[in-house]
Amino acid sequence: SAVISQKPSRDICQRGTSLTIQCQVDSQVTMMFWYRQQPGQSLTLIATANQGSEATYESGFVIDKFPISRPNLTFSTLTVSNMSPEDSSIYLCSVVGLQNSYEQYFGPGTRLTVT
Amino acid sequence: AQKITQTQPGMFVQEKEAVTLDCTYDTSDQSYGLFWYKQPSSGEMIFLIYQGSYDEQNATEGRYSLNFQKARKSANLVISASQLGDSAMYFCAMSRSRDYKLSFGAGTTVTVRA
Repeated sequence: SAVISQKPSRDICQRGTSLTIQCQVDSQVTMMFWYRQQPGQSLTLIATANQGSEATYESGFVIDKFPISRPNLTFSTLTVSNMSPEDSSIYLCSVVGLQNSYEQYFGPGTRLTVT
Repeated sequence: AQKITQTQPGMFVQEKEAVTLDCTYDTSDQSYGLFWYKQPSSGEMIFLIYQGSYDEQNATEGRYSLNFQKARKSANLVISASQLGDSAMYFCAMSRSRDYKLSFGAGTTVTVRA
């Protein structure tokens, strides 16, 4: 089965700084997404990472705060910009299209703490 | 808009017994997918099982089965022969077939007792 990796797995950052999270899949996938899970909460979709074009953001999320890149069918990055303690969350990438299925699989997540 | 409801915040189950986690959903789409994920304390989201809205048979994956009742808009997860390692948070989710975006329920914490 395909492997999805995320870097870093966790980080502690100071407010006002930015962090870029990488998501790598070892095979080509149709769709890639980024989700956020705030402490004690469920998952919320941030955006769809579109290959070769600008990401599609959900309501409440903007490109200036969460710029996303997807240069090819196996890789994407999410940047959390100008961080505040409210950005402390687990950030997860997910993929659809492994082995031509509709199933959606998640990366291991990046646990971010902003101080 | 899609809505997923999990009404059980937490459940206790005895080892080796079965447990049913409830999930109801609301959507106007005709084509959609239903998912269950397990999230242990490590934070990773582990895919358990998938059911397409047009699938006539209930999905099964090992000890996991999805009790899909389309008319009632419910997609309950049944875990048979519970193990201590099943202790985790479980999320029900739904995707729209046209864009695969997932909407999640609030989750149910399962604690398996020895």
